[in-house]
Parts: sequence; C-alpha cells; structure tokens
Amino acid sequence: SAVISQKPSRDICQRGTSLTIQCQVDSQVTMMFWYRQQPGQSLTLIATANQGSEATYESGFVIDKFPISRPNLTFSTLTVSNMSPEDSSIYLCSVEEGLIPGFGELFFGEGSRLTVL
Amino acid sequence: QKEVEQNSGPLSVPEGAIASLNCTYSDRGSQSFFWYRQYSGKSPELIMFIYSNGDKEDGRFTAQLNKASQYVSLLIRDSQPSDSATYLCAVRHRGNDYKLSFGAGTTVTVRA
Repeated sequence: SAVISQKPSRDICQRGTSLTIQCQVDSQVTMMFWYRQQPGQSLTLIATANQGSEATYESGFVIDKFPISRPNLTFSTLTVSNMSPEDSSIYLCSVEEGLIPGFGELFFGEGSRLTVL
Repeated sequence: QKEVEQNSGPLSVPEGAIASLNCTYSDRGSQSFFWYRQYSGKSPELIMFIYSNGDKEDGRFTAQLNKASQYVSLLIRDSQPSDSATYLCAVRHRGNDYKLSFGAGTTVTVRA
C-alpha cells in the first residue's frame, strides 16, 4: 500500500489560532480524504479532497473552518481555523487504493494529534 | 439509527481463544465491508475486507458477511496479546460517493 506521511504528528495550539496539516503520499492517488477522530470516538469524515477543485464537505463541516487544498495527486493540506478546545482531536489523512475509484480499500496516515488549550 | 453498529465491548478473551466481533449496518444497499485494527495512539490499520456473502479467511482472521441479515463479523483465532486493540467496522454504501461509515469500535483485550 501507499506510504502516507502526515505532519505535524502532534501539536499543542492556542485558542483562536490556525494550524495546517500536511499529507504526502508516495504515489498518485485519485481519492483522498480527511477524517477526524475525537477522543474515545470513531472516525468522522470531514471532506473529500478533490484535485484541482474545491473539497466536498460532509454535513457539519464547512470550508471556512476546515479549508482544504489538493494541488496534485500526491499532496493535500487541511487547515483547522480559529481553533477552540473542541477541535482537540486526531486528524487523519486517508487514501483509497484500487483500480476503480469507489471500489478500493482505504488506508490511513499516522494522524496528527492536536490539543487546543 | 446509527448506520454502523458494533458491540460496545470491551471484549476480554484468554490467550489462544477465539475473539468474535460483530457489526450490523442499516443500509441494505451497502456493497463492501472492512475491518480495521487500531492500537492505542495509532491510526487505523486495514486487516480485512469482504464484498461477497460468506467467509473470507486471512491467517488467523476470518470475516463473515451475511447481506440478508445486514451483518458482518470478524473472528480472531488463537488470540494473542498483540491482538489487543480496538477493532473498527466500516461499511461502504452503494452510491455514496465512495465514502465509508465507521462503527464506534470494539475494544479487545487478550489476557495472557
């Protein structure tokens, strides 16, 4: 499977600031996603990162709060804007691998653990 | 109703025993099913996927799918302490733009 690198792996942030998380994949992938995993919870999809166009956000997530970039097929960024303690979470980049988009398997990066004070 | 439901656990099994994990889903049109293992502080790791009714075996792991009952399970044979983790069930729905829905996970503890 593809190697998915995320950075930072963890950070402690102050309320009101913004942080950008980077996701680098070692091969070109069509489908790239951003998930959030709050403490003790399962995974929630934030958005699908679309190459060359605006991301597709899930209900409850908006572009102003979580702007996403996807300049090419190997890289994406997620920014968590104007952070509050409720944004303390693990943010996970994931990619789908398979011959046909929508029918492949999903793999995850190591995650970025954010703590907002 | 949650889209994907799992036994809340925790599930404690002795070393060498079979751990049985269950998952039900609400969308009858779901087409593919995945089991992820997540160690504490780590990201989820794909361990099994299944698309067709029946059993699929991979080493000590067996996934079982029954679409009529909307039920998927994971069996871990000869459980080892290294199997202690949270296991997440994920379901891909037909026509849902490739997205997976995840269950809340079942925490398994294998007692040495």
